[in-house]
Amino acid sequence: NAGVTQTPKFQVLKTGQSMTLQCAQDMNHNSMYWYRQDPGMGLRLIYYSASEGTTDKGEVPNGYNVSRLNKREFSLRLESAAPSQTSVYFCASKEIAGRAFGETQYFGPGTRLLVL
Amino acid sequence: GENVEQHPSTLSVQEGDSAVIKCTYSDSASNYFPWYKQELGKGPQLIIDIRSNVGEKKDQRIAVTLNKTAKHFSLHITETQPEDSAVYFCAAMKSNFGNEKLTFGTGTRLTIIP
Repeated sequence: NAGVTQTPKFQVLKTGQSMTLQCAQDMNHNSMYWYRQDPGMGLRLIYYSASEGTTDKGEVPNGYNVSRLNKREFSLRLESAAPSQTSVYFCASKEIAGRAFGETQYFGPGTRLLVL
Repeated sequence: GENVEQHPSTLSVQEGDSAVIKCTYSDSASNYFPWYKQELGKGPQLIIDIRSNVGEKKDQRIAVTLNKTAKHFSLHITETQPEDSAVYFCAAMKSNFGNEKLTFGTGTRLTIIP
């Protein structure tokens, strides 16, 4: 099991460029999440997908779009990158939504994005 | 929405001593409280968690305590070792079928001094 994988590991963009961050999990999890991590601010939820076919906004969705391509993959797209989107992006997955068990979220290694 | 505060932001502890990190939460409906450890250049990794029907949970040198009345929970690491140096995050969540979201604290950078 690779767990949660993310590509690319590092990316430099110019303001206004677009890109898609890829995330895949091989744990047959139903729920997937995108977070951004900024110094002194912990992890903030951008978007999440409780199950295949559904997506919802998190705390900081502006400037981002997501696609739950299938049960395994959840991508994050920046249509027009801005310097404020310079951050480390983490994808996570969770087994089941809405149960007493299965709350554990497993994180990928992160994508470090620099927008100039 | 939920708000989680975490203290201290940095903590230095002599090897072998204990470390304590504290978090408070605002939403009394929150019922799941995980702790994550993040090593440099890696994603957060769950180290221990506790549900609201339990007051304390221990796993070897790591323990978590929960006070629902005061809405705070703490991470205790005993007999600290150099490999415990990392950033630790607390989080809170309430079960809400299909809409569970973790709210994270701002992190504590723990440094173990050899």
